[in-house]
Parts: sequence; structure tokens; C-alpha cells
Amino acid sequence: EIVMTQSPAFLSVSPGERATLFCRASQSVTRKLAWYQQKPGQAPRLLIYGAFTRATGIPARFSGSGSGTEFTLTISSLQSEDSAVYYCQQYYSWLPFGGGTKVEIK
Amino acid sequence: EVQLVQSGAEVKKPGESLRIACKGSGYTFNRHWISWVRQMPGKGLEWMGRIDPSDSYANYSPSFQGHVTLSVDKSSSTAYLQWRSLKASDTAFYYCARHTSGYDSEFDAWGQGTLVTVSS
Repeated sequence: EIVMTQSPAFLSVSPGERATLFCRASQSVTRKLAWYQQKPGQAPRLLIYGAFTRATGIPARFSGSGSGTEFTLTISSLQSEDSAVYYCQQYYSWLPFGGGTKVEIK
Repeated sequence: EVQLVQSGAEVKKPGESLRIACKGSGYTFNRHWISWVRQMPGKGLEWMGRIDPSDSYANYSPSFQGHVTLSVDKSSSTAYLQWRSLKASDTAFYYCARHTSGYDSEFDAWGQGTLVTVSS
């Protein structure tokens, strides 16, 4: 079973600054990796799939990179509406999620 | 517009059975797998299992195998998540989600979630 580990668990960033979130797989998932955003009281929303492809309607400030076991989600210039929990998920073998990173706006 | 609309909140007692629903619209229901995801209070997302609406083939995360059952009704474009005997630890939000393409793909649409509360 592939285990997904996200870091850090919590990130506090000032508006306009860059936020970098990490996701590690316990074994290679090639590029079968997605990122989701979940705001309080809402369902998750797909941000990135295939490790780096933005989903429909996702702003360009969100970008994904990586392959194999190491992945990164970057929010280039944080906006107030980006305050949320971010989850990675691999779909190479089953569909487990990482534990999430909570992003707070300072 | 692709939509997944879930049934309303439920309050049940331990040992009771329950089935919650997820109705798809705006797309060809048979062509996209459906997964279910649990979110316990204040916790992260846990993938439970997935089902192919075209033939009702399902597989389950080992953590949920044997405790829940997935099913679909193609005639009404509805997927179901079912418990035969609820436990207090089943208290959580449950989301259905549509696979973009194939069983091993990301989730491009989500239901609004169903809160299940199990308490004596």
C-alpha cells in the first residue's frame, strides 16, 4: 500500500508571498498525482492532476511539479481566498490521500 | 454542468443500517467511476472505495472492506453507500466523487457531502 505524506502540516504565509507545499509517496506513482483544495464547510475541489496540469478554471498562480515520489504544489502569490487545507492524492495504485496541509493567511 | 447531489444528513443509532445516495447529472453516468471519501470530524480525507456504474464492479480500500457496500442504480443515475450495522466511529462526512476517466484517475467533481451521525 502506497502511503502519502504531506509537509508541512501547517503553513502561515503573508498575502502576495509564495507558498510551497510538499507531498511524498512511499514508492513511485509516476505522475499520477492530484492536488485538491478544501475550504471550511465545502467539498474538496480539484486543482492539479497529472502532477502539473491545472484543472479547469484554476488560476495560474497554482502550479504543480514533480514525479516519482516527490511532488510540490506552489501558490505563487497567495490571495486571501487561498486559505484552505490542501490534499495530495495518488491514483497509481488505489487512491489514498495525504494528511493535508493547512494554509493560513497571515 | 456536471453535478453530484447527495442525500441529506442522517442521525442513526449504533447497530442500525443506512444507505446514502449520490445522484449524478449533466453527464453520461455510466461512463465515469464513482468513489466515496470519508472525512471524520476535524480530520483529513480517506478514500473508501470505487464503483464502475456500467457494471457495478466495485473495489474497496482494505480499511473499509467488509464494513460498507457500494452500489448503483443506472436507471436513476444514482450511486449508493451502505452500512448494515453502524458504529459510533462511522460518524463523519461522506463525499461521493466522479473519476475524470477510468478507475485510476483524479476526481473532477464532488458531491456536497452527507453528514452521518451515529449516537446512542
